[in-house]
Amino acid sequence: SQTIHQWPATLVQPVGSPLSLECTVEGTSNPNLYWYRQAAGRGLQLLFYSVGIGQISSEVPQNLSASRPQDRQFILSSKKLLLSDSGFYLCAWRFRRYLENTEAFFGQGTRLTVV
Amino acid sequence: RKEVEQDPGPFNVPEGATVAFNCTYSNSASQSFFWYRQDCRKEPKLLMSVYSSGNEDGRFTAQLNRASQYISLLIRDSKLSDSATYLCVVNPGHTGGFKTIFGAGTRLFVKA
Repeated sequence: SQTIHQWPATLVQPVGSPLSLECTVEGTSNPNLYWYRQAAGRGLQLLFYSVGIGQISSEVPQNLSASRPQDRQFILSSKKLLLSDSGFYLCAWRFRRYLENTEAFFGQGTRLTVV
Repeated sequence: RKEVEQDPGPFNVPEGATVAFNCTYSNSASQSFFWYRQDCRKEPKLLMSVYSSGNEDGRFTAQLNRASQYISLLIRDSKLSDSATYLCVVNPGHTGGFKTIFGAGTRLFVKA
């Protein structure tokens, strides 16, 4: 069976500090990978998605970046955090199939507070 | 226009009530559709897929109207445990770059 691991679960970081959140998937290969952010009381905002190693699509211009150094590893980074970066960050994966009739599976999320 | 839009909510209903949520999507070529449930401070989890012919899972019924580009979720005989945020999800398919788009969610509160 497939599992997704995301860490850390909770993070408190000062403004201007760097960020690195990691997500790994086990039990499948060539997944589509996604990073979402959810501000308090709001919906999920798609930040980045990837259909393969080194292939990153950005949805929202901001001071975040993503990388996919390995097939089942997805990393979200920032060089300097802003207060507005606070939120609930969720990594997700989907099977990559032609018909795209596949649901997304989520990690448990990282609750980031920038102070 | 947002790619996926949902009823804003919140919906406050008594136990045993029937409640319906609607969701519209902008990309007519969208491939697949889902409803997710999200509990407070937790990750979203799949509630059910939405099929063209409509589908039912116990007290939950999902409908898809491709012509009007909307999907719906009906919850019958609401339980206290149904209180959560319900998220509409659309996969645009290859025309949308393989994205998975979530609506902003609709909060449901079921009261005793």
